[in-house]
Amino acid sequence: DTGVSQNPRHKITKRGQNVTFRCDPISEHNRLYWYRQTLGQGPEFLTYFQNEAQLEKSRLLSDRFSAERPKGSFSTLEIQRTEQGDSAMYLCASSLGDRGEGYTFGSGTRLTVV
Amino acid sequence: SQKIEQNSEALNIQEGKTATLTCNYTNYSPAYLQWYRQDPGRGPVFLLLIRENEKEKRKERLKVTFDTTLKQSLFHITASQPADSATYLCALDKDGGATNKLIFGTGTLLAVQP
Repeated sequence: DTGVSQNPRHKITKRGQNVTFRCDPISEHNRLYWYRQTLGQGPEFLTYFQNEAQLEKSRLLSDRFSAERPKGSFSTLEIQRTEQGDSAMYLCASSLGDRGEGYTFGSGTRLTVV
Repeated sequence: SQKIEQNSEALNIQEGKTATLTCNYTNYSPAYLQWYRQDPGRGPVFLLLIRENEKEKRKERLKVTFDTTLKQSLFHITASQPADSATYLCALDKDGGATNKLIFGTGTLLAVQP
């Protein structure tokens, strides 16, 4: 297991198009998190899963955003009708879910909406 | 309102000196606080965790303190090296240990000059 894998690394899309990102967490980790990070800011929480259950969604996550984790393994984050304000680095992380377990982050997907 | 604040200005120090980074928070009662390192274009990497009942934690050249009265954590890198140059993020658990969901500060950029 080589850590958390995110694909694609970079995505350029036209405004109004739909995009989907994939995250493959560390296999034994039952918690999976999505964050968004813009330049000069820390990661902002979007949503997280325990196994296949989505436990919380941030108010930052509009109706255009949806995330899934079928079978509690990989996860996808879809953004519909992209807007220029969606341009950011989308980070996925996983953890064992124990109290205080540090997160293992992927390298992120850089989204640019033109 | 709830806030996590880190030095917004970059910290420039000479090689061999001790770097000290500050993380202050308001209106949170975290069960633990974590520190991460982030290099440009990469996801954050977990460094250290300190729990609410711990005053200090050490790992090699790193030391973290946690003062729940002052609502502050200090992160020290002793004998700093140019390779330590990166952005350092503090993160705390938003829900007092109930969910392991982390909220991040904006990060402090550390530049170690040779």
